[in-house]
Amino acid sequence: EDQVTQSPEALRLQEGESSSLNCSYTVSGLRGLFWYRQDPGKGPEFLFTLYSAGEEKEKERLKATLTKKESFLHITAPKPEDSATYLCAVQAEAGNNRKLIWGLGTSLAVNP
Amino acid sequence: DAGVTQSPTHLIKTRGQQVTLRCSPISGHKSVSWYQQVLGQGPQFIFQYYEKEERGRGNFPDRFSARQFPNYSSELNVNALLLGDSALYLCASSFLANTEAFFGQGTRLTVV
Repeated sequence: EDQVTQSPEALRLQEGESSSLNCSYTVSGLRGLFWYRQDPGKGPEFLFTLYSAGEEKEKERLKATLTKKESFLHITAPKPEDSATYLCAVQAEAGNNRKLIWGLGTSLAVNP
Repeated sequence: DAGVTQSPTHLIKTRGQQVTLRCSPISGHKSVSWYQQVLGQGPQFIFQYYEKEERGRGNFPDRFSARQFPNYSSELNVNALLLGDSALYLCASSFLANTEAFFGQGTRLTVV
């Protein structure tokens, strides 16, 4: 069964303390892996798409990487405004069904 | 440019009632997907429409239905509401069926 697991469930960092979030997946044919940021009560905000192992993408303090079994979201010198839930989703081959399979997210809190 | 817009933003309904949620995709996007998100969980896929045709359906009962109009906007209908239908309903649009999805702010549905 296709599955996406994110760890840790929650992470508390001090401002400037770099860390990484993990997204591991087991799917039958990866078509794409997506990272989103979600603030409470709002829709997810698109961050990155990764398509193949070895691919990396960066945006400000965030960097996403992909291997054949997992993806990491590295946060360098985080600021309090980076506090949010970070969601990982995978699109798998399944005929015409283009649904995204989501992890439960990592809730990140950055203290000033 | 306008992002994905959803209406209404909040809604309170009584058990057994019917509800219609609306979504306007980003201009030029032809695919719309609907998700249900319960507090503390990742989004759960309900439907995807592409070029006005259903391209995917999640594991939801027949009380849930949707359609996409010629202008690519979409409606999600839920009949015979249950307390368990209370959730944040998210609409996402993408240019094609398998490209990154951009989300609206969601409709918060409360069933009492």
